[in-house]
Amino acid sequence: RKEVEQDPGPFNVPEGATVAFNCTYSNSASQSFFWYRQDCRKEPKLLMSVYSSGNEDGRFTAQLNRASQYISLLIRDSKLSDSATYLCVVSNTGGFKTIFGAGTRLFVKA
Amino acid sequence: NAGVMQNPRHLVRRRGQEARLRCSPMKGHSHVYWYRQLPEEGLKFMVYLQKENIIDESGMPKERFSAEFPKEGPSILRIQQVVRGDSAAYFCASSPDSHNQPQHFGDGTRLSIL
Repeated sequence: RKEVEQDPGPFNVPEGATVAFNCTYSNSASQSFFWYRQDCRKEPKLLMSVYSSGNEDGRFTAQLNRASQYISLLIRDSKLSDSATYLCVVSNTGGFKTIFGAGTRLFVKA
Repeated sequence: NAGVMQNPRHLVRRRGQEARLRCSPMKGHSHVYWYRQLPEEGLKFMVYLQKENIIDESGMPKERFSAEFPKEGPSILRIQQVVRGDSAAYFCASSPDSHNQPQHFGDGTRLSIL
């Protein structure tokens, strides 16, 4: 089992749609969680950190479920510019271990 | 621009040559990470360094690859005797004082081996 697993993609959605990505992690001692986005041939960019209480940033909502060991990202009112690969990132305690998921590709179409 | 700076942006080498990739972390960041990304694939962790120390190099091939982060100057990822399979995008990231804080990435170096 991979340490961080993401929904298989690609997701093809129309503009204005709501789309959700899930990501599961295997290490219950994981401490920090993030979502990044990566555009084609560009560097990953931090989208948002994920907090235990859940957090929202505009059209984006991230949630953490420690009991089930997954995090989610919800995108409302999808825009064409949301088309990218979304990476789930998990950091563990007890020494360095930051794991990037393989990513989920999103295509938003007009 | 106080972001992570990588150079060169593009690097072309012939098989058997050496490639040196440089990374200057964001101001105030003391942790540096190197990743490799092949086309259509995810990021693969290579090495994690702090000033003058390699903390985790579990993702770096044992041969031909080395990394350093000297007291002064940028972090260097060095690939000796390059082969075609080394062609990839190499990203550097930095974070402040803990690996549990988000990493910020540079633009990457695209390495092409002829």
